[in-house]
Amino acid sequence: NAGVTQTPKFQVLKTGQSMTLQCAQDMNHEYMSWYRQDPGMGLRLIHYSVGAGITDQGEVPNGYNVSRSTTEDFPLRLLSAAPSQTSVYFCASSYTRYATNEKLFFGSGTQLSVL
Amino acid sequence: GNSVTQMEGPVTLSEEAFLTINCTYTATGYPSLFWYVQYPGEGLQLLLKATKADDKGSNKGFEATYRKETTSFHLEKGSVQVSDSAVYFCALSILGSGGGADGLTFGKGTHLIIQP
Repeated sequence: NAGVTQTPKFQVLKTGQSMTLQCAQDMNHEYMSWYRQDPGMGLRLIHYSVGAGITDQGEVPNGYNVSRSTTEDFPLRLLSAAPSQTSVYFCASSYTRYATNEKLFFGSGTQLSVL
Repeated sequence: GNSVTQMEGPVTLSEEAFLTINCTYTATGYPSLFWYVQYPGEGLQLLLKATKADDKGSNKGFEATYRKETTSFHLEKGSVQVSDSAVYFCALSILGSGGGADGLTFGKGTHLIIQP
């Protein structure tokens, strides 16, 4: 009954460092996505995937890469961290690619600070 | 494009007060509408949803009615509790041209504080 699991919960990086935020779901969900949450901005979509091997850009994709080699995992890579990427990151999934009336299941988030 | 507008708060109420959090939207086509809730330190959870005009979503004493004529989906609760303190997000979803959901469009969130 794990649902959507994100690791790590907290991370501090220096400018220019790279890292990968992990996301895994055990519900056999087709659709997975990454959001960032910033004060006064709500949630903004970074990247999403509608199945293994298929990814696409969301509203704010610059500076981030994703891949989807398995149904379960959807890691988010920061290639060269910048202070503007300081945020709380959420991974979310849903059963179907057509999430118009399907609910999203969210992980508990990763709080990232870039110094 | 699509957008959601909601009061940002914080909204501070006393326990057992009546709650209304306003949400209006702009969308091309016919969206599904959602309210998500985020408790401190946690991810978002779906609170309720409505998929067509005049539908009423309800859960845990909260209600919201899909009003197409006023493009609104206001959240209401008759008697709030301290445990309702959280951030509430209004959101819409329309099937994207790429076949996927293209994600939800979220409002900025309303921070609700309930005092005993």
